[in-house]
Parts: sequence; C-alpha cells; structure tokens
Amino acid sequence: DVKVTQSSRYLVKRTGEKVFLECVQDMDHENMFWYRQDPGLGLRLIYFSYDVKMKEKGDIPEGYSVSREKKERFSLILESASTNQTSMYLCASSLWTRGENTGELFFGEGSRLTVL
Amino acid sequence: AQSVTQLGSHVSVSEGALVLLRCNYSSSVPPYLFWYVQYPNQGLQLLLKYTTGATLVKGINGFEAEFKKSETSFHLTKPSAHMSDAAEYFCAVSSTGGFKTIFGAGTRLFVKA
Repeated sequence: DVKVTQSSRYLVKRTGEKVFLECVQDMDHENMFWYRQDPGLGLRLIYFSYDVKMKEKGDIPEGYSVSREKKERFSLILESASTNQTSMYLCASSLWTRGENTGELFFGEGSRLTVL
Repeated sequence: AQSVTQLGSHVSVSEGALVLLRCNYSSSVPPYLFWYVQYPNQGLQLLLKYTTGATLVKGINGFEAEFKKSETSFHLTKPSAHMSDAAEYFCAVSSTGGFKTIFGAGTRLFVKA
C-alpha cells in the first residue's frame, strides 16, 4: 500500500515563527502536493512538485514555500507564521501512468497547525 | 478552468436509508472524476474514480457513482446507509495531462440510528 507520512499531526506555533511541515511517500511517486483544508472551502492547492527540485505554485501560494530535495520528500515552509494560516495541511502524492497523470491522489493523515 | 460544486454541505439520513450526495462539475476537456472520503482526524482516501469507459463505477464500502456527461454530474449513492458511513465526502475533478485536482467544498454525511 502507498504510504504518505506527515511528520507532525498537531502543531502549535506563535505568530512570526518559522514552521516546517514534512511529508514522505514510499511509493516512488513523481508528483507531490500540499493542500490546505478549511471548513466550507474544501481543499485548496498551495504548491506541487512533479520532479526533484521542481516546484509549481498552486492556487494559494502566498505566505508559503516548498522544498523537494529528494523524490520521496516534500516540505512545506511557513517563513513567518500568521494566525490566518491556522488550518489543516494535507500532503498527497500521485503517479504518472503511461505518461498520463490520472489525478488519483494518495493522502497523508494531515497536520493540524494552530498559530497563536 | 475546472470547478466542482457539491450540493448540500450537510446531509442527514437514517440508518438503512438511501445515501445520495450530489456533485456537478465543469470542465472544458474530458474529465477524470473522483469521490474521496475523510473520517475524523484523518486524511482523504479514494472511494471511487471515473477515467474512461463504463459510466457507472463502483467503489469501496458499497458506494457507486454514475458519470452523466449531458448533466455534468457525478452523484454518489449507496443503497443502505450504515453508521460507519458518517464522514465527510469530497468530489474532485482533474484531466489527463493535468497536474491539478480540483475539489468541491465537501458534504458531511450524518447517519441517524
């Protein structure tokens, strides 16, 4: 089974702190994603990566950055956390099949971040 | 651009009753369609997907969905609800060659004893 592991399930940080959210997948997937989940808004894409050292902005990249130094690991960075970044963060990965991305995502269990 | 609309943020059914969760999408290219389920304090897991071929797709836990191109719909159904079905359900759309999967706002399903 595909396993996507997020390093922290719950975090509490203070405004202005730097926050690292780590995600590791064990199925050699090319694509990795960071989503933010808020009630009534569904999941919104922050950043994604289709290869090592490659990154692309999603729909809400402001206030975030990412790093993908190894294929299996995709990190989300909040350079200076703010209260409006309190949310559930979900990491996901997906596979290219025969040159196509079917869009099927495999999710981690989420990291719930509270910024005070 | 692609988008997804889920009708009803909350749906309540009695145990044993039919479950119907509605999803409409818009896409300028042939879509791939998904339903995901999220149990409390967990990530999302795939229930079922439509890519090509048969328009009625069956998923896990007795759920199924039908792709209706003329109605741009992909409604999720289950003939008989079980207490363990209580969760949040997300409809999503992507397309071949695309990286992005677009999610609906979610529908929380409540099952009454």
